[in-house]
Amino acid sequence: DAGVIQSPRHEVTEMGQEVTLRCKPISGHDYLFWYRQTMMRGLELLIYFNNNVPIDDSGMPEDRFSAKMPNASFSTLKIQPSEPRDSAVYFCASSGQGTNNSPLHFGNGTRLTVT
Amino acid sequence: GNSVTQMEGPVTLSEEAFLTINCTYTATGYPSLFWYVQYPGEGLQLLLKATKADDKGSNKGFEATYRKETTSFHLEKGSVQVSDSAVYFCALISGGSYIPTFGRGTSLIVHP
Repeated sequence: DAGVIQSPRHEVTEMGQEVTLRCKPISGHDYLFWYRQTMMRGLELLIYFNNNVPIDDSGMPEDRFSAKMPNASFSTLKIQPSEPRDSAVYFCASSGQGTNNSPLHFGNGTRLTVT
Repeated sequence: GNSVTQMEGPVTLSEEAFLTINCTYTATGYPSLFWYVQYPGEGLQLLLKATKADDKGSNKGFEATYRKETTSFHLEKGSVQVSDSAVYFCALISGGSYIPTFGRGTSLIVHP
């Protein structure tokens, strides 16, 4: 089991540029989550998918943020245009079974710096 | 709604000291409770869990007991090591939702 795989690990970009973060969940997991972590706000849920369908995107901060899951093995989080306040660590996580016993499995995150 | 409250950190201890990190919760229904650990530069990983009242979760010398009467799930370890330095998150899943509610995290720093 390779775990949840995120790429890139680090991204440095200039304000106004488009940023795409990628995630490969654990095979067989039905749920996929995108989180953002900052010192000020802690861990925030941005959006989650069930069986590739977005269920709740109420945590997405602005229309500049969008997420897709074209198939069960791949998801993207896109920021266009990026702003310095988007600088954070972005985590993808997946879980299976859809029960309240199912823990989340996190990737190692993408550290985004927008200058 | 659901919520998790953790003690604020950082918690700073010497090696071999006893650790307690407090966690209390409010939830609808009967939640499952979790502790996650985040080492520097990594994502969160499950440390232990308990799914019903009086259950004790344990892993790597850490323990936590699900106390329904006090709505608590405190994390303990008898003798911490430098390698335990990390951020610890308490979390719950409840109410028919499969979405966990996380606490703010507690940073633990262990000195040699």
